[in-house]
Amino acid sequence: DAKTTQPPSMDCAEGRAANLPCNHSTISGNEYVYWYRQIHSQGPQYIIHGLKNNETNEMASLIITEDRKSSTLILPHATLRDTAVYYCIVRVAGGTSYGKLTFGQGTILTVHP
Amino acid sequence: DVKVTQSSRYLVKRTGEKVFLECVQDMDHENMFWYRQDPGLGLRLIYFSYDVKMKEKGDIPEGYSVSREKKERFSLILESASTNQTSMYLCASSPFQGAKTSNTGELFFGEGSRLTVL
Repeated sequence: DAKTTQPPSMDCAEGRAANLPCNHSTISGNEYVYWYRQIHSQGPQYIIHGLKNNETNEMASLIITEDRKSSTLILPHATLRDTAVYYCIVRVAGGTSYGKLTFGQGTILTVHP
Repeated sequence: DVKVTQSSRYLVKRTGEKVFLECVQDMDHENMFWYRQDPGLGLRLIYFSYDVKMKEKGDIPEGYSVSREKKERFSLILESASTNQTSMYLCASSPFQGAKTSNTGELFFGEGSRLTVL
């Protein structure tokens, strides 16, 4: 699986958009970009994933650059409950890759009142 | 919503004790996983199972075993607990990821079980 690079920490004001970047310059054509987050003392929570098109769900939007070497997770209106560690993961979907997710250090997002 | 339930949030055991960590999922997922999470080391896969009575070793299986007698339940067993097994243990499940399916393999995690071995 391709390696990812994320900033160690970011701050965001409550109600504003939080934009979390991720670099994955060695991504392969069959690898997806996944985002998870982990609130303190809880298990990781799936947020969103994408291959090459931008994606949106009820939690967030995922913007993937045309060359697929980087992506941005957008929380459109951050709340205090969005304070968490956010992990960007790149992996092949399907086949025998099963659950071998490699979680890096992630980005600690702190949302301030 | 998918629900993955781990039997205990916090456990304290003594060295040499046998420890059972139970995990149940309610979404009929084929795949189930056990990870441990340690500061600075991220999540590491211990064992996974893609079907009842099937199991595969992950990256760090030493000192652990697993049992999957029913589809919804996946148990992690520490035969003789040691202090270096003090950790946060996370169970996860996901639906089948066949090569011909469109499933893209997101995992659903439980709340975690924090084990302290004294």
